Amino acid sequence: RKEVEQDPGPFNVPEGATVAFNCTYSNSASQSFFWYRQDCRKEPKLLMSVYSSGNEDGRFTAQLNRASQYISLLIRDSKLSDSATYLCVVNGEGGGNKLTFGTGTQLKVEL
Amino acid sequence: NAGVMQNPRHLVRRRGQEARLRCSPMKGHSHVYWYRQLPEEGLKFMVYLQKENIIDESGMPKERFSAEFPKEGPSILRIQQVVRGDSAAYFCASSLMTGENEKLFFGSGTQLSVL
Repeated sequence: RKEVEQDPGPFNVPEGATVAFNCTYSNSASQSFFWYRQDCRKEPKLLMSVYSSGNEDGRFTAQLNRASQYISLLIRDSKLSDSATYLCVVNGEGGGNKLTFGTGTQLKVEL
Repeated sequence: NAGVMQNPRHLVRRRGQEARLRCSPMKGHSHVYWYRQLPEEGLKFMVYLQKENIIDESGMPKERFSAEFPKEGPSILRIQQVVRGDSAAYFCASSLMTGENEKLFFGSGTQLSVL
């Protein structure tokens, strides 16, 4: 079983749609969770951290379910510029900054 | 304030040659991480270094790969006798401190192509 699993997509959605990505992780000891964005295999960029209480940043909402070891990202009113690969990331064994990345979910927002 | 700088951006090597990838962390950062991204795969942790010390190299292949972060100068990821399977994007990241919520800043990566 992969440490972090994501549906690879692609998700093709029209502009303005709401889209949701899911992610599961295997290490129950993980303490920190993130969503990163990667464009065309450029460097990954932090989109947002994910907290147990759920958190929102503009059109983006992240949720964490520790019991199910499940993380989600919701994007509302999607824009063309949201087209990218979204990486689910958890801190790895031993904590610290040893991050474990999912393989990513590709999003294509179309006119 | 320059971000994490990696060079070269693209590196082409023939099988059996050596590849040297450089990473200069953000100013003031003393923690450096190397990740590798193979085609169609996610980023995989390779090694974590602080100045002059390797802290965690659990993701490094046992042979041909080495990393250093000297007191002066950039961090170097060295791959000896490269093979086609080493072709990948290699990303470096740095952080100011270590901790579960400490933000990592990534460089633009080095794309290594082995002919």
